[in-house]
Amino acid sequence: QQQVKQSPQSLIVQKGGISIINCAYENTAFDYFPWYQQFPGKGPALLIAIRPDVSEKKEGRFTISFNKSAKQFSLHIMDSQPGDSATYFCAASGEGYQKVTFGTGTKLQVIP
Amino acid sequence: ETGVTQSPTHLIKTRGQQVTLRCSSQSGHNTVSWYQQALGQGPQFIFQYYREEENGRGNFPPRFSGLQFPNYSSELNVNALELDDSALYLCASRTGLVANSPLHFGNGTRLTVT
Repeated sequence: QQQVKQSPQSLIVQKGGISIINCAYENTAFDYFPWYQQFPGKGPALLIAIRPDVSEKKEGRFTISFNKSAKQFSLHIMDSQPGDSATYFCAASGEGYQKVTFGTGTKLQVIP
Repeated sequence: ETGVTQSPTHLIKTRGQQVTLRCSSQSGHNTVSWYQQALGQGPQFIFQYYREEENGRGNFPPRFSGLQFPNYSSELNVNALELDDSALYLCASRTGLVANSPLHFGNGTRLTVT
């Protein structure tokens, strides 16, 4: 019940295209959903986050869409750039926010 | 503002040995968490320290232990190393225990157990 399922495992998008990564969760106690970006040799860095009281949050080219009834959320990267090539993790937390549960990651490659 | 720093960056140990990994939290952060990231996987929560007390633990055996010091730096100790302990160990710090206080990760320690 603590799992966060993420798909796809890998994604290749052309420069200027839209990258979409999907996640689903089971634990209804989760109420904070961050996305992290990780470059090789680096630790994950917070990209954008959402609470379930809103259905969408946009920051620049990055948008989270949230469907509370379906227990699903997704990351959209508009106008994808080669510099966006990285591994993306969805995550969820709640119940005192001690633990953040991460998805298995999506390796994004943006080709010129 | 100094970010989260971890040492060493790489480490090779033999099965059965013990290891200590170190983390300096970001300035102003009083909460430190440790995560294990196996190759190709997402980070897995080991435990969290808040004001020098462990206040949350993931599904890891007692041979994984930790400390947080008064300056909020932290150590992760692993005893009786097993081959499956080979992973990237990430330290993350944040302020307090509220949802909108994001984790700030260091670049990790790559541990290889042979």
